[in-house]
Amino acid sequence: SQQGEEDPQALSIQEGENATMNCSYKTSINNLQWYRQNSGRGLVHLILIRSNEREKHSGRLRVTLDTSKKSSSLLITASRAADTASYFCATGPMDSNYQLIWGAGTKLIIKP
Amino acid sequence: EAQVTQNPRYLITVTGKKLTVTCSQNMNHEYMSWYRQDPGLGLRQIYYSMNVEVTDKGDVPEGYKVSRKEKRNFPLILESPSPNQTSLYFCASSSWGAGTDTQYFGPGTRLTVL
Repeated sequence: SQQGEEDPQALSIQEGENATMNCSYKTSINNLQWYRQNSGRGLVHLILIRSNEREKHSGRLRVTLDTSKKSSSLLITASRAADTASYFCATGPMDSNYQLIWGAGTKLIIKP
Repeated sequence: EAQVTQNPRYLITVTGKKLTVTCSQNMNHEYMSWYRQDPGLGLRQIYYSMNVEVTDKGDVPEGYKVSRKEKRNFPLILESPSPNQTSLYFCASSSWGAGTDTQYFGPGTRLTVL
């Protein structure tokens, strides 16, 4: 079952601009994770934010989590051509330690 | 190097011909999982394993089998593949369950069933 929904489905920006992607989910969660996938390749973990955290940073990435609104955002600052990829949010539901529920992803294109 | 490997990376087969996709991890992870990825649908979990000899169904288990006889290996078996199983398949592993821990993904297996 799919829980996460990313918004927008696709985003195209100029290199150097900031990119913001949003994720909404439906049920209570233990944590929310963001992954990146370059075209047709394996997924790479970016950030895990736990339900009791509100914000987390990793390099040029900033993730926020609002459990009252059941939403998260991923901000990539000073975007680069290498950031071109699909970005997925995945939630770890409160009632299962063994499953991740995935959204359909946001396709990000960085124009040089 | 810590990694998850999958073989084969690409496979074209015909309906009904049994096949196995292998998955191996070298991180001594307890948890392993199989996903399929189809355009516009994100990842859907097929099966997962919490430890050796312990497996459970994910969201889309029909038409698939798995086994976990050793900690490092988690093969995916399609006993009678059908065209609707044409997809991109990923194996993943983690120290603990997917819902609580970072997942490490293999490079993917692109399967086409004619």
